[in-house]
Amino acid sequence: RKEVEQDPGPFNVPEGATVAFNCTYSNSASQSFFWYRQDCRKEPKLLMSVYSSGNEDGRFTAQLNRASQYISLLIRDSKLSDSATYLCVVTPDTGGFKTIFGAGTRLFVKA
Amino acid sequence: SQTIHQWPATLVQPVGSPLSLECTVEGTSNPNLYWYRQAAGRGLQLLFYSVGIGQISSEVPQNLSASRPQDRQFILSSKKLLLSDSGFYLCAWSPTSGRAVDTQYFGPGTRLTVL
Repeated sequence: RKEVEQDPGPFNVPEGATVAFNCTYSNSASQSFFWYRQDCRKEPKLLMSVYSSGNEDGRFTAQLNRASQYISLLIRDSKLSDSATYLCVVTPDTGGFKTIFGAGTRLFVKA
Repeated sequence: SQTIHQWPATLVQPVGSPLSLECTVEGTSNPNLYWYRQAAGRGLQLLFYSVGIGQISSEVPQNLSASRPQDRQFILSSKKLLLSDSGFYLCAWSPTSGRAVDTQYFGPGTRLTVL
């Protein structure tokens, strides 16, 4: 089993749609969780951190479920500019600097 | 504000040739530094990280090495490139903080093709 697994994608959605991505992780001691966005042939950029209580930033909502070991990202009212690859990132344990990136889920938002 | 630079942006090298990629960070002190590789259509693979000058941790044994000669300089090297070394190489930094891993900020990357 991979340490971090994401929905395979691609997701093709119309503008205005709501889309959700899931990411599962294997290490129950994992400490930090993030969603990054990566545009084609560009570097990843932080979209949002994921907190235990869940957090929201505009149209984006991130949730963490430690019991089931998954995190989710919900995008509401999708825009064309949301088209990108979304990367799930997990830090496996405390005191370490190793970060595990998921393979990413590609999103295409169409007019 | 902090900025991170990588060069070169693209590189085409023959198999067996050496490699040197450079990354520098401005506007911060004592950052944690990282090297990642992303193969075509794949996720990011952590290669090395550094928490200080001369301190390098390797995550994946291979023909690559890293060095940190100065606080804000991180270099990725190879004595002999393999075809499998082709990929998108990304340098990242994160602030030194009480948490083990904080948000990472990526440089623009170097796209390496080994022929």
